[in-house]
Amino acid sequence: EIVLTQSPDFQSVTPKEKVTITCRASQSIGSSLHWYQQRPDQSPKLLIKYASQSISGVPSRFSGSGSGTDFTLTINSLETEDVATYFCQQGSDLPYTFGQGTKLEIK
Amino acid sequence: EMQLVESGGGLVKPGGSLRLSCAASGFTFSSAWMSWVRQAPGKGLEWVGRIRSKGDGGTTDYAAPVKGRFTISRDDSKNTVHLQMNSLKTDDTAVYYCTGSGGYSWNWGQGTLVTVSS
Repeated sequence: EIVLTQSPDFQSVTPKEKVTITCRASQSIGSSLHWYQQRPDQSPKLLIKYASQSISGVPSRFSGSGSGTDFTLTINSLETEDVATYFCQQGSDLPYTFGQGTKLEIK
Repeated sequence: EMQLVESGGGLVKPGGSLRLSCAASGFTFSSAWMSWVRQAPGKGLEWVGRIRSKGDGGTTDYAAPVKGRFTISRDDSKNTVHLQMNSLKTDDTAVYYCTGSGGYSWNWGQGTLVTVSS
């Protein structure tokens, strides 16, 4: 099973700050890495697919990069509505697995 | 608008069974691969399993913790996917999400809570 490790687990942030979340896979997964946002008491929502491909309707301040084992989700100019937990997920090998999540809180 | 609506959650005793349903609308359900993902209270996300479209064989895959106990099925005539859960354990307590998926989950339902407790 492929293990995904996110960092940090938790981050206290200020509006307009640039935020970077990393996701490291235990083995190479090519570009089969996807990012989700889960706001409090809501279902997860797809943010980025295949490491860097944007999703219709997702604000352009969200972007992704990486390949192989190291991936990054970047939020440029954070807004208060971005307070959420962010998960990465690999779709390379079964069973599909998720990172443990990164929770963002406003300072 | 694409929509997934889960139902069937509730309280069940260890060893019991429960059947979850997910009604889909707003997309071509018969062509879609569908998955179930769960989230234990205050915890992260765990992939449970998936079913391919009938055109792609209609076969299923499961995570190790549920293999042999859970079964995913689909009824394309009713745009519905089911999760039959047998021999439930306290560790199965979670919100269960239905998702439209291939290698990633492009649409999620609101979830249904399953509580396994005596």
